[in-house]
Parts: sequence; C-alpha cells; structure tokens
Amino acid sequence: EPEVTQTPSHQVTQMGQEVILRCVPISNHLYFYWYRQILGQKVEFLVSFYNNEISEKSEIFDDQFSVERPDGSNFTLKIRSTKLEDSAMYFCASSEDRGNTIYFGEGSWLTVV
Amino acid sequence: AQSVTQPDIHITVSEGASLELRCNYSYGATPYLFWYVQSPGQGLQLLLKYFSGDTLVQGIKGFEAEFKRSQSSFNLRKPSVHWSDAAEYFCAVGHYVGNMLTFGGGTRLMVKP
Repeated sequence: EPEVTQTPSHQVTQMGQEVILRCVPISNHLYFYWYRQILGQKVEFLVSFYNNEISEKSEIFDDQFSVERPDGSNFTLKIRSTKLEDSAMYFCASSEDRGNTIYFGEGSWLTVV
Repeated sequence: AQSVTQPDIHITVSEGASLELRCNYSYGATPYLFWYVQSPGQGLQLLLKYFSGDTLVQGIKGFEAEFKRSQSSFNLRKPSVHWSDAAEYFCAVGHYVGNMLTFGGGTRLMVKP
C-alpha cells in the first residue's frame, strides 16, 4: 500500500539552527500538509499546499516556517531559526484531492536543545 | 470554528471486553469525520472515516463507528479488544474548504490481560 515517508525520523538541533524536514507524499496525491504534535498535546494543523503554493496555514505557521516542493516528489518543511518550543513530532500528510482522506507519515521527532 | 472533544483521556479495558471511545464534534456543516490510531513512537494510522451515506462505518482491525448527527457524536467501538489495540486514539473532523483536520485531544487505551 502506498505510504507517506518522512526523513529524518529523529533530529536533535541546537536552538537557532535551521532544520529541514523532508517528506515524500503518495505519488498521485495533489494536496500536501504538515501537522505537529507537541509531546502530550493535540495534533495541530500547520499548513496545506496545493499547486505549488500554500492553500491554508494556521497561526502557528509564522515567518520562521516555510514549505517547498523542490522537485516532483519531495515536500519539505523548513524551520529557519529553531526555538525550544519547536520541539515536537512533525507529521507530513497527503491527500488525493480536497475532501479526501488525509494519509499521514510516521513523523519526524524534532528536539531543540 | 470547528472543534473535537474526546471526553476520556485514559481508558483501561480487559482483553476480550468491548470498547467504546467517545467523540463529540462541533462543526457548522456536514462533517467529514475520522478516527486515527497512534501506537507509541509511531505515526497516525487511519482506522475509518465518515463522509456521507450509511452512518455506521466499518474500519480496519475490527473497529466501527457510528455518526449520530443529533448528538454530534462519532463514537468508536470494537466488540472484543485485543492487547495489540493498546494505543492512543484520535478523533478528527475535516474541513472541506480548507481540507485540514481538527483533532481531539486523544484517548489513551490500555488493555489488561
């Protein structure tokens, strides 16, 4: 069964450093997403991406965050200058179209020290 | 704004016993509803979904859920729980226009032998 894959599975970074989290969505999907889950808290929507542009973003997705689809398969989340409170599990997800099921990857644990 | 409430933070059941996990949602239109399961250190796996039609939906691993519009609920059930069902369960409501999910806080299920 096709799946969303994410790398790295774990990353530890120093505060202030830039981090790039990578994702390969399911191949025929058109909508891509990033969600995050701070330890012990709800899964929260960050951003959705369609047709090479952001279609919706939450208040969490401020100027330190950016997303990109650099080629035909990868979808990345960049955090420009990490803060301690960015420590979380970051989930990439994709769906075939709007209103379809959203499939999640296994997540990337980010620890900012 | 849409919201999802999972009233039970923790539930413990004996193996072989029946299970019902509660989910209540608030949404202005017909919702898209989902249940996801997260095993420790793992990603979010889709158990089942409701978009329209039959209000009783079947999912993987023997789970089912019933959409009750009058009660704004989408409770997850399983007739006989297995030890491998121990995990965290998340209910989510979909937003068609933005195609993002709003998650509940999760219910952690423990299974006693």
